[in-house]
Amino acid sequence: GAGVSQTPSNKVTEKGKYVELRCDPISGHTALYWYRQSLGQGPEFLIYFQGTGAADDSGLPNDRFFAVRPEGSVSTLKIQRTERGDSAVYLCASSTKGGTSSEQFFGPGTRLTVL
Amino acid sequence: GEDVEQSLFLSVREGDSSVINCTYTDSSSTYLYWYKQEPGAGLQLLTYIFSNMDMKQDQRLTVLLNKKDKHLSLRIADTQTGDSAIYFCISGGSYIPTFGRGTSLIVHP
Repeated sequence: GAGVSQTPSNKVTEKGKYVELRCDPISGHTALYWYRQSLGQGPEFLIYFQGTGAADDSGLPNDRFFAVRPEGSVSTLKIQRTERGDSAVYLCASSTKGGTSSEQFFGPGTRLTVL
Repeated sequence: GEDVEQSLFLSVREGDSSVINCTYTDSSSTYLYWYKQEPGAGLQLLTYIFSNMDMKQDQRLTVLLNKKDKHLSLRIADTQTGDSAIYFCISGGSYIPTFGRGTSLIVHP
């Protein structure tokens, strides 16, 4: 069956530009997470959606980062005025009900490079 | 914030056992997980243990939990070259999982 997909797989942009990263979760999964993974580090939590609403966005580093999930399925992570320090792999995961009691299914990630 | 510590590297010979260790600080963790990340691939759940268990065995995998010391370990028996990957320990008492930095397991033929 279809897993979590993310597009694009790679994105190269210039400093100061705007980017959008897309996540298609597994159908029927109400919970969706975004993470950022820098080289040699574990995934760092960014934001958690339960349905259409952001249940917790405490991991977003600053107001240049924003994420939406308007219909409770596909989510888009938006980064404004990108900086070189934003370069990382952005991971999306979905789960049936959220919380740490249910397995998270991860997408392959989007590798963002800011020049 | 919560913290999860793991050693960064482990090198073993094919056929030997591997033991990957993890310590965590979140005492409210209900479940603790081990995820595996292979090069160019997404994270995959390997196994998990409920916080009221001491041990869980699943084929070649054995998970040991010492809740008093907040120590979790993953033992892989008869390690194969296909087990080479980064292994992440994850704790989480609420709904935000905390990842360690991951342990790179290198298996030599």
